Formats: sequence, C-alpha cells, structure tokens
Amino acid sequence: QVKLVESGGGAVQPGRSLRLSCTASGFTFRSYAMHWVRQAPGKGLEWVALISDDGSNKHYADSVKGRFTISRDTSKSSLFLQMNSVRPEDTAVFYCARGASYGSGSHPDYWGQGTLVTVSS
Amino acid sequence: QTVVTQEPSLSVSPGGTVTLTCGLNSGSVSPTYYPTWYQQAPGQAPRTLISSTNTRSSGVPDRFSGSILGNKAALTITGAQADDESDYYCVLYMGGGSWVFGGGTTLTVL
Repeated sequence: QVKLVESGGGAVQPGRSLRLSCTASGFTFRSYAMHWVRQAPGKGLEWVALISDDGSNKHYADSVKGRFTISRDTSKSSLFLQMNSVRPEDTAVFYCARGASYGSGSHPDYWGQGTLVTVSS
Repeated sequence: QTVVTQEPSLSVSPGGTVTLTCGLNSGSVSPTYYPTWYQQAPGQAPRTLISSTNTRSSGVPDRFSGSILGNKAALTITGAQADDESDYYCVLYMGGGSWVFGGGTTLTVL
C-alpha cells in the first residue's frame, strides 16, 4: 500500500534553514507528481509546492516562492523541501502527499502523517 | 488574490443530509478546477473523499457524493453518521501548477 513518511521537522530560529524529507513506498515513485501541504496549528490546509513526476516542473505558493525549494530523488524514492529564510508564520505541520498522476493538475491523494516545523527564537 | 470559500461550520442530525460548498471569491467553480474534497479527523492526516468534482475515492462510503451546484462545488453527505464529524476541506486547481485550499468546514453531527 502507499506509504509516505516525512522527517526533518523540528525547532528552528527565524532566518535559518531546514530540509524536510519524505520517503515513499508502495507505488512507482517516478510516475507521480508530489506535493507539500502545510497546516499551521489550529488552522486550515495550505498548499505549498508541487513537483512533476520527472522533476522538470516545480510550482510554489506565493507565500513560499523564492524561499522554499522542492526536489526529488527517484533513486531513493524521496521528496524534499528545502526551507530557507524561515519565518514564524512558517510554523506548521508539513505533509507530503502523492499526486493522483504525473502532472501538475493531479490533486494530492495519499498523505503522510506530517512533520512539525516550529520557527521561534 | 484567489480565495476559496467554505462554510466555517455546519451541523447535521444523525441520519440527515448536509451539503458543504466550495466557492470562489470571484467567478464560478467548474469541473475545470478539478474540485477535490478531504476529510480530516482531529490529529490525523487528511483523507481524500472526492476528486475531479464527483469521483469517489476507493473505500469511501457512497453516502458521500460530489457535484457542482450553481456556481460552487458541493459535497453532500446523505445519512450522516456520528463518525462523519470532522473537518472537511476542498481544493481547487488554479492552473499553472497552482492549487488553493478552502478554509475548511467543521461538521458537527448532533
């Protein structure tokens, strides 16, 4: 079955960097787009970023554009989110989610359990 | 700025029917937005219920259905049960690789 396991969350000071990882199993990783979605404490879901199946297309929410970078390593069935210049408003649970298919128009369908990022001095 | 709108909260009686909606601050929702619905229980990851307007995900009971009602996407729960009490989110595809979630609806079954 599809399994997504996030890691790399934790406490980080404003302005610093953090790299999140997501290890996928139970499906052919290279055939699916992948998303990052976050949820601030007590708030709703916010789409963060999307990468196409082959990694050639990357898209970002305006709130993270220029600060976050999504990438993937097919050989390791892994998805990454490099978070630079983090801000207190980036505090959230970050979910890795598989796209329903290969392209940008594929909705998040399977979700991991999330990793918490806390930005505070 | 695009805002996806949802009712902040709704309630339904056990066995009753409730419709949650997903709209846009400007314009109408159509199938080209690939409206998708998620259920999220407290402390849990979201679960996909309905995608592309009305395609039910595997294992989702048929009491959940999706549609376009007027200028909004809609999620209808027919014969609500106690364990349907959750937060529900819709997401819309804005094109160009961009997705936007609604603010979510907290559904109470009482």
